[in-house]
Amino acid sequence: GNSVTQMEGPVTLSEEAFLTINCTYTATGYPSLFWYVQYPGEGLQLLLKATKADDKGSNKGFEATYRKETTSFHLEKGSVQVSDSAVYFCALSDGTSGTYKYIFGTGTRLKVLA
Amino acid sequence: KAGVTQTPRYLIKTRGQQVTLSCSPISGHRSVSWYQQTPGQGLQFLFEYFSETQRNKGNFPGRFSGRQFSNSRSEMNVSTLELGDSALYLCASSLDSNSPLHFGNGTRLTVT
Repeated sequence: GNSVTQMEGPVTLSEEAFLTINCTYTATGYPSLFWYVQYPGEGLQLLLKATKADDKGSNKGFEATYRKETTSFHLEKGSVQVSDSAVYFCALSDGTSGTYKYIFGTGTRLKVLA
Repeated sequence: KAGVTQTPRYLIKTRGQQVTLSCSPISGHRSVSWYQQTPGQGLQFLFEYFSETQRNKGNFPGRFSGRQFSNSRSEMNVSTLELGDSALYLCASSLDSNSPLHFGNGTRLTVT
């Protein structure tokens, strides 16, 4: 079945450091890929998405490229800020079965220190 | 445009009771999904409704049920509550089945 695996957290970085959060997926079809972010006390918010191979999603300085050959969708940011502290979820949406189902990774907590 | 609204924000119930949670999707969104979020299990899919029909269901016992009304508002019900049902319940709406999900802030359920 479909699955999403993302790196264990927590990830602790100093402000302005480079961020990478790894995400790999298994899917039978051609899924769309997403990164969602959850701030304390809130629901998840869409951060970025990519719908086909080699697409690059980007938003608020975050980027991720849909790599079909390595089945990966790693999240990167060149210079993190304290306000980026949150939990990040990688997800896929696959419609191979006839209806679209979302599969979420377990989440990676990011803590950025001033 | 108003976001996804979930009520109530917090609930405390005792074992054996039942509870109903409510979700109002973004206007125009016809798909509503429910998720259970716990520290140990992460985000677990409960079910998805589209135009008042349950289209997908996760691996939860029959104590968990839901419905969607003609105005796309949705409710989920949990009967015979157990301690393990304590979680953050998240509702998400989307325009159609392959559109990004828009989440509410959740209902925090505590079962004592």
